[in-house]
Amino acid sequence: AQSVTQLDSHVSVSEGTPVLLRCNYSSSYSPSLFWYVQHPNKGLQLLLKYTSAATLVKGINGFEAEFKKSETSFHLTKPSAHMSDAAEYFCVVIDTGRRALTFGSGTRLQVQP
Amino acid sequence: NAGVTQTPKFRILKIGQSMTLQCTQDMNHNYMYWYRQDPGMGLKLIYYSVGAGITDKGEVPNGYNVSRSTTEDFPLRLELAAPSQTSVYFCASSRQGAGVAKNIQYFGAGTRLSVL
Repeated sequence: AQSVTQLDSHVSVSEGTPVLLRCNYSSSYSPSLFWYVQHPNKGLQLLLKYTSAATLVKGINGFEAEFKKSETSFHLTKPSAHMSDAAEYFCVVIDTGRRALTFGSGTRLQVQP
Repeated sequence: NAGVTQTPKFRILKIGQSMTLQCTQDMNHNYMYWYRQDPGMGLKLIYYSVGAGITDKGEVPNGYNVSRSTTEDFPLRLELAAPSQTSVYFCASSRQGAGVAKNIQYFGAGTRLSVL
């Protein structure tokens, strides 16, 4: 079965500094991976998806993620944090049979002024 | 563009009461899902459906029932509410077919349920 592990439950950065949210996956075959964001008291919004066409994936709001098979990682990055980036971020792998999502435990990103 | 609509947004239940959480989507998606999110956790799959008339259990189905009589609607029923069912419930939908693009799930805004 596929799974994802988010290595940090909480990350705090200053506005304008880089963001790194770490995710490792476990899968017996090439996984389908996503990052979702959840702002307080809101639903989930897709940030980006890994389609296997390219290992560096660009998403919305300046976020990127790089798929590294050798490290089984799919870390999320952004060059410069903005206050509006403060939210909960989930790394997600899909069960291709049920097409249901398996979520990591989430990383809360705090952005300090 | 409505997308996935969930009602109600908030509800407080007493132990033993029953209720139905409503979910409807207007994107003609075949796949629909119910997840629950407990505080500080990711989402866990309760039930899913691959089309009208077809449903199946996810990771945490106990205490819940679903039905899928139409493509648009996928209600979740709690028969005998328990405090352990206090959670935020999310409904999602996706298209049918192969490929990651068709696996993107679209989420509703959630229903916050408290059982006291």
